[in-house]
Amino acid sequence: DVKVTQSSRYLVKRTGEKVFLECVQDMDHENMFWYRQDPGLGLRLIYFSYDVKMKEKGDIPEGYSVSREKKERFSLILESASTNQTSMYLCASSSLGQGIYEQYFGPGTRLTVT
Amino acid sequence: RKEVEQDPGPFNVPEGATVAFNCTYSNSASQSFFWYRQDCRKEPKLLMSVYSSGNEDGRFTAQLNRASQYISLLIRDSKLSDSATYLCVSSGGGNKLTFGTGTQLKVEL
Repeated sequence: DVKVTQSSRYLVKRTGEKVFLECVQDMDHENMFWYRQDPGLGLRLIYFSYDVKMKEKGDIPEGYSVSREKKERFSLILESASTNQTSMYLCASSSLGQGIYEQYFGPGTRLTVT
Repeated sequence: RKEVEQDPGPFNVPEGATVAFNCTYSNSASQSFFWYRQDCRKEPKLLMSVYSSGNEDGRFTAQLNRASQYISLLIRDSKLSDSATYLCVSSGGGNKLTFGTGTQLKVEL
C-alpha cells in the first residue's frame, strides 16, 4: 500500500518566518509534487520533481522553493512566509511505471501564517 | 478562463438516485482525463480514468467527448458513502495534472 506522509497536519507560523514542509513516500516513486488547495481555486501545482536533485516549476512557484536530496523525500520551503500563503498544502507522488497518472496524496498540512 | 471547469454544486440527491456531473476543459491538446474523489478533510484519491469509449466501474461510468471538450461522471444507485467532492482532472502529457475545483455531492436518506 502506497504511503505518503507529511511532517505536520497543522502548522502556525508568523509572517517572515522560514517554513519547511516535509514529504516522504515509501513506494520508490520517481515523481513527487507539491500542491496548495484553496476554496474556489482547487488544487494548484507549486513545484514537481522527476528525480533526485531535479525540480520543475509548476503553475504558482512564486514565494516557494523545493529540495529533493533523496528519492523518497521532497521538501517545500517558504523562504519568508506571508499571510497569502495560508493554505492547505498537499504532497503527492507517482511512478513512471504502471499507473503513471495515478498520483498518491499525503494527508495534507494546513498552514496558517499570522 | 480556467483550464478545467466544474459546477461546484452541492448536488443534494436521495439515496438510490442517479446523478451526473459534467466538466469542461479548454486545452484541446489535453490527452488524458480522470476523476478523483476527495472526502471532507481528506486527500484526493483516483476514482477512475476517462476514455473516449467510456469507462464503467460498478455503479460509476465516465465518458469523454473530445468534440465538445467535456467529461462526464454518472453515478447510479447513489449511496450515502458516495458523499464527497469529485475532482475532474486533465493531463497534457507527462505527469503534470490539472485539477478542477470539484463538484460536491451530498447523498441523503
